[in-house]
Amino acid sequence: EIVLTQSPGTLSLSPGERATLFCRASQSISGSYLAWYQQKPGQAPRLLMYGASNRATGIPDRFSGSGSGTDFTVTISRLEPEDFAVYYCHQCGSPPWTFGQGTKVEIK
Amino acid sequence: QVQLQESGPGLVKPSQTLSLTCTVSGGSITSGSYYWSWIRQPAGKGLEWIGRTYTSGSTNYNPSLKSRVTISVDTSKNQFSLNLSSVTAADTAVYFCARVCPPVSCHYYYIDVWGKGTTVIVSS
Repeated sequence: EIVLTQSPGTLSLSPGERATLFCRASQSISGSYLAWYQQKPGQAPRLLMYGASNRATGIPDRFSGSGSGTDFTVTISRLEPEDFAVYYCHQCGSPPWTFGQGTKVEIK
Repeated sequence: QVQLQESGPGLVKPSQTLSLTCTVSGGSITSGSYYWSWIRQPAGKGLEWIGRTYTSGSTNYNPSLKSRVTISVDTSKNQFSLNLSSVTAADTAVYFCARVCPPVSCHYYYIDVWGKGTTVIVSS
């Protein structure tokens, strides 16, 4: 099983600041199989990035993704109020599919 | 636009079987080469993949649940279902159904559509 470890667990930032979220895999995975989701309280997750670096439909360009092998990153260039949420990375490459434990981006 | 809706009992007794259905609307469950998946999330915790099915009936399950899980598809009703047997309090969670876009259709692998989720509590 591929374990995804996200860091930090919580990110306390102010609107307008830059956020960088990390996801490390226990073994190398293809970027084609790495996705990120955003989840707000009481809601289902929403696709944010797929193929490690492709923004999903409707995701603003302040979000960017990168990485390969075992290390992947999502950056939010300038936090907007609606960006405060929990973010999960997810790999579909090797069953069982797994999720990271999440990074909470909270208002400082 | 495809939408997914979970349905089923919100309360299940310990040792019984949890049964949920996901209804696909806005498109046929057989169109495209999508996988159909179940994911759960205990309150305040992260996401756990339960398993997936294809419209052919082929399935893959999380090994941690494999002995208790069955996912099936009913193309005539445009639905797929989850059965989880011998439940305990540890199975209390929000259960999501989801559509998975595979490389053959989408060039990448990702979950592109989620249901809103349904809460299942295991308690006597």
